[in-house]
This record gives sequence, structure tokens and C-alpha cells, in this order.
Amino acid sequence: DAGVIQSPRHEVTEMGQEVTLRCKPISGHDYLFWYRQTMMRGLELLIYFNNNVPIDDSGMPEDRFSAKMPNASFSTLKIQPSEPRDSAVYFCASKSGTSSYEQYFGPGTRLTVT
Amino acid sequence: DAKTTQPPSMDCAEGRAANLPCNHSTISGNEYVYWYRQIHSQGPQYIIHGLKNNETNEMASLIITEDRKSSTLILPHATLRDTAVYYCIVRVGVSSASKIIFGSGTRLSIRP
Repeated sequence: DAGVIQSPRHEVTEMGQEVTLRCKPISGHDYLFWYRQTMMRGLELLIYFNNNVPIDDSGMPEDRFSAKMPNASFSTLKIQPSEPRDSAVYFCASKSGTSSYEQYFGPGTRLTVT
Repeated sequence: DAKTTQPPSMDCAEGRAANLPCNHSTISGNEYVYWYRQIHSQGPQYIIHGLKNNETNEMASLIITEDRKSSTLILPHATLRDTAVYYCIVRVGVSSASKIIFGSGTRLSIRP
């Protein structure tokens, strides 16, 4: 298995631009999580899905952030408009709800907003 | 939700056992203790979890005190590749998915 795949690995954009981060979970996993990591705030859970349905989005910082999961093999995290304070590493993770307590993390997307 | 307390940093000599402590004095009876680690520039990696019995796998051992108020992660023969931030986490929520809340962790440095 290829593991959780995230793209792009690095993104540099200007303030005000739209940014879309992508994630492909491990095949067969029915839970998908989006996290953000910064030096100041550590690793924070933004939102998670179960069977493509958003379950808890209480960690999403504000309306500029949105996440979708149109099917079991793809999710996006969109920031519109982006701001410098959104600069962080964004991780996607997936797990199988019925057989594992373990979350498998992707390599992350390093976002820099100038 | 139970909180965890970990020392911010530790170091250990290569080849020796690394013992990472964690306090979780408000843990509930049905909450598990999880350990993850994050090697620089990578995503977190699951290590082990337990409820009340001691657990061992190919990566580490987890020792949970009888009152469950604290635990210790043991890396039996630390190598330079074990240098990472180690997170002790108590699982919140009631569903099997339940979200993992990461604290600040312990930065473990392995010295040659």
C-alpha cells in the first residue's frame, strides 16, 4: 500500500490567493482527518470525516477554511482567501474505524503564504 | 477529557533504554493511553496503545501504573533514528474514531 498521499508537498502563494490541498487516504479506510501544525500551536485537528461525511469541524479556524470529501478516495482542504498566518504544515491522516485505533499520517503539505 | 503532562525534553545514550514518562491523573476508566512519535519533517507515527495492562510490540513497551494515572513508554535499545518528538495521548470521545488531541510532547534526543 502506498500510504496516505498528499499533494502538493510544498505550496508557496501570495496573500489573498486560493489554496487547495489534496489527500488520498489508504484504500479501505473510512475515517479521514485533517491536521495543521505550527511552532506556536503544535498539531491541531481541523476536521474529520467518516464515510465521506464531516463529523466534527470544530477545529476549523474560520470560514476561510473548507473541506470536502466527494468520495472515499479523495479529500480537499481549501483556504480562500489565504493569509500569512495560515502558513503551516497540513497533515492528512486516515484510519479504519472497525479494525484499528491507529491513524496513518501522510507526509504533509508545507504551506507558505507571503 | 483527560489531559497529559510530559517533560518537554529528554536525552538518552544510543543503545540504552529510553524511558519516557507521562502523567494522566484524570484519565477515565474507559480511556486508552496512546503514544505517537514525529520524526523531523514527517507525519506522526503510531507506536503503541494500552488500557490497563502493559503492552509490548516490535517498537516499544508501554507500562501503565495500577491506578492508571501515569505511564511510561520504553524504547529498549534506542538508536539515532529514534530521535523525535513523542506524544502521549489519552483518547477522547466514545466512538471508535474518536479524535486524537496532540499535546506538546517530549523531544527525545539520542546521543551517540
